[in-house]
Amino acid sequence: DAGVTQSPTHLIKTRGQQVTLRCSPKSGHDTVSWYQQALGQGPQFIFQYYEEEERQRGNFPDRFSGHQFPNYSSELNVNALLLGDSALYLCASSLVVAGYQETQYFGPGTRLLVL
Amino acid sequence: QKEVEQNSGPLSVPEGAIASLNCTYSDRGSQSFFWYRQYSGKSPELIMSIYSNGDKEDGRFTAQLNKASQYVSLLIRDSQPSDSATYLCAVNPPGNNRLAFGKGNQVVVIP
Repeated sequence: DAGVTQSPTHLIKTRGQQVTLRCSPKSGHDTVSWYQQALGQGPQFIFQYYEEEERQRGNFPDRFSGHQFPNYSSELNVNALLLGDSALYLCASSLVVAGYQETQYFGPGTRLLVL
Repeated sequence: QKEVEQNSGPLSVPEGAIASLNCTYSDRGSQSFFWYRQYSGKSPELIMSIYSNGDKEDGRFTAQLNKASQYVSLLIRDSQPSDSATYLCAVNPPGNNRLAFGKGNQVVVIP
């Protein structure tokens, strides 16, 4: 049973560039959430995708955008990168059953460094 | 007031002892609570989920929930060096699909 996968594992970009991170959910899951984790902090919610639509969004600027594909995989795009965007980006997948979201399971993460 | 607070500093425990971690949350209507373990440089791994008041045991781990006092705790019995990690408390606020996380508590088990 494949778990949550993310690519790439590491990424180095310069300020102003754009980046795309990818996530494939755990088999049988239909919902993907993205989190940003700065060093020494807990993960912060960016947004969640369900049925190919953004279901909920956290307190992140419009530079952060996403997409969910028919196979439930998802992308996170960040435009105009800032130094402060350097973090571990985590994807979590879950299943919605009767309108209730079950437990979220995390992928290995993508570590982004902005220079 | 933060949604989820984990205020304790790094916790050092001798091997075989009990490690106790606490977490408080601000939204009284929260219904779902989770403990994740995160090794350095790795992603969070689910250890326990708890939804009802009381204790829930899974192997050496026990989660305790007290909704009236708005706290959830995690006990690690017979601590092992492999338990050395950061433990994240997460809460699913009512009407939300997201998880709100605390800052985490670092546990160091000393052989």
